[in-house]
Amino acid sequence: TQLLEQSPQFLSIQEGENLTVYCNSSSVFSSLQWYRQEPGEGPVLLVTVVTGGEVKKLKRLTFQFGDARKDSSLHITAAQPGDTGLYLCAGGKAGANNLFFGTGTRLTVIP
Amino acid sequence: EPEVTQTPSHQVTQMGQEVILRCVPISNHLYFYWYRQILGQKVEFLVSFYNNEISEKSEIFDDQFSVERPDGSNFTLKIRSTKLEDSAMYFCASSGDRGNSPLHFGNGTRLTVT
Repeated sequence: TQLLEQSPQFLSIQEGENLTVYCNSSSVFSSLQWYRQEPGEGPVLLVTVVTGGEVKKLKRLTFQFGDARKDSSLHITAAQPGDTGLYLCAGGKAGANNLFFGTGTRLTVIP
Repeated sequence: EPEVTQTPSHQVTQMGQEVILRCVPISNHLYFYWYRQILGQKVEFLVSFYNNEISEKSEIFDDQFSVERPDGSNFTLKIRSTKLEDSAMYFCASSGDRGNSPLHFGNGTRLTVT
């Protein structure tokens, strides 16, 4: 089992604040994907990172893949209520078809 | 934008009954998956399917589970004799390639076994 631990598990912040969500594993992954899941819906892909040390920005969201490809972080600047949701990291292995999902971070942004 | 569709959105069944969950993946995708998410827990991989056969499966995907692509569009998950612990959200996903390709998920079927 490839365990991906996310922290924090729950996060409640005020609108306008910054936050960082972490995704850690003892395993090396060929890629790391971040998804966001709304209640009653399936996960929706936000970004894929594949190179150790890679940083990708998506508007106010910044994603980083660790140098050793074992961990990743998601940083949100000036959070908005629309950012509320469950954030999931998922690791892929070279040659494999399945993704290993993290434990999830449930974010609530209070107006 | 093309999407993965799943039916039904909610299925209630009695323990021991068979259920079939249906999915229509994105039409030009080649890889198909089933995941499940027990309430409050993480998304778990069940099975992947490519070229009309299972390519990988997890420990969860035991003899009670089977998948089928009966025609060019549908992808189904059958649970032969449901147990209480099978209650979960079941998500179908598809991708155009393996490995680092993103998965496109459907909105899930909530299965409740009573």
